[in-house]
Amino acid sequence: QLELTQSPSASASLGASVKLTCTLSSGHSTYVIAWHQHQPEKGPRFLMKLNSDGSHTKGDGIPDRFSGSSSGAERYLTISSLQSEDEADYYCQTWGTGIRVFGGGTKLTVL
Amino acid sequence: QVQLQESGPRLVKPSQTLSLTCSVSGGSISSGGYYWTWIRQHPGKGLEWIGYIHYSGSTYYNPSLESRVTISVDTSKNQFSLKVSSVTAADTAVYYCARDTSATYFDYWGRGTLVTVSS
Repeated sequence: QLELTQSPSASASLGASVKLTCTLSSGHSTYVIAWHQHQPEKGPRFLMKLNSDGSHTKGDGIPDRFSGSSSGAERYLTISSLQSEDEADYYCQTWGTGIRVFGGGTKLTVL
Repeated sequence: QVQLQESGPRLVKPSQTLSLTCSVSGGSISSGGYYWTWIRQHPGKGLEWIGYIHYSGSTYYNPSLESRVTISVDTSKNQFSLKVSSVTAADTAVYYCARDTSATYFDYWGRGTLVTVSS
């Protein structure tokens, strides 16, 4: 069954970097995913599409501070030079024929 | 830039039908390659995909909701709609519409609207 697993929470200091992880379920390690940011009181925002080889395509206006990488079944979102507005929930998402799957989300706190 | 905006009643009584509309601007809903999607988020929980529709009318629904959900499209108004029948308190959630590109990921989202099911 196609599933995505994320840690519920993460924290990092202002100006630092953080790496969030999304793990694909067994048998799905080659799947492409997307990362979305969900800031409080706003609609979610597409960040990037991330391929199994680590190549990624960002959404409109997404700053260079956001980058993606991959290793096996793991997909990563790295945010560098953390800013206060990066405090948000981050969701990974993937797809199959007729289905769309979200990870449980990671709540990022900027200290 | 594509923008999506949800609209509809914010309060629905149990056993009734929840109805929402998503208005799309900045692009045509009839553009090929896009699927128009509904997603919801229960209070304090993660995102749940409800289903999507192509402008041609083909649909896919989350199996867990399929028996109660209908998504339709009105290309003349550049809108698509969601109906959830026989609602209960468990359907209380923020409902988002989104554009699904090439049947893969969601590249544009609405701001969402909170719908509460209560008598």
